[in-house]
Amino acid sequence: GAGVSQSPRYKVAKRGQDVALRCDPISGHVSLFWYQQALGQGPEFLTYFQNEAQLDKSGLPSDRFFAERPEGSVSTLKIQRTQQEDSAVYLCASHTRLAPTSTDTQYFGPGTRLTVL
Amino acid sequence: TQLLEQSPQFLSIQEGENLTVYCNSSSVFSSLQWYRQEPGEGPVLLVTVVTGGEVKKLKRLTFQFGDARKDSSLHITAAQTGDTGLYLCAGRPNNNAGNMLTFGGGTRLMVKP
Repeated sequence: GAGVSQSPRYKVAKRGQDVALRCDPISGHVSLFWYQQALGQGPEFLTYFQNEAQLDKSGLPSDRFFAERPEGSVSTLKIQRTQQEDSAVYLCASHTRLAPTSTDTQYFGPGTRLTVL
Repeated sequence: TQLLEQSPQFLSIQEGENLTVYCNSSSVFSSLQWYRQEPGEGPVLLVTVVTGGEVKKLKRLTFQFGDARKDSSLHITAAQTGDTGLYLCAGRPNNNAGNMLTFGGGTRLMVKP
């Protein structure tokens, strides 16, 4: 079946522009996660949704970052007034459970590579 | 600051050699997972270790979870060029009430023919 998809795969923005990154989770997956992966680093948690509810946004680095999942399926990560330090790969992951346990697999999308000039 | 420290950060070896990648922390984890990530793709789960001292084998890959559940290792026997990639360990600390994974910084492995 189809996996997690993300679009666009690549995005180049000028500093100060707003961007919107989309994640289509696996159909029926209720949990959705966003991670930020800087060049040469491991992914870092940004935010977590359970259906349409954003239960944890402790990893969002500033109030310029905003995520939503209004109908409990597709999610959008929006970054306002982009800065060079926002350049990274943004990964989306989903899981079928409401609250994935420590042994469950999160299924990752291919990521969106954002470059801010 | 990464809660999980991986070493080495980079590793370049010849095909056929053995290697070990380490994942260390001062925190106790309820479980640890190892992922492999190829360029332009998301991480893909290789294995989950749960019990202190646990050893799991996946073909030429051997994963071990430390007795105290603070560290883990990945050993590859007779590496092949297809093993090239970024290896990531990830886990959830015991005191973490959330559901997100905490990742190490990754080990970038290159296996040369």
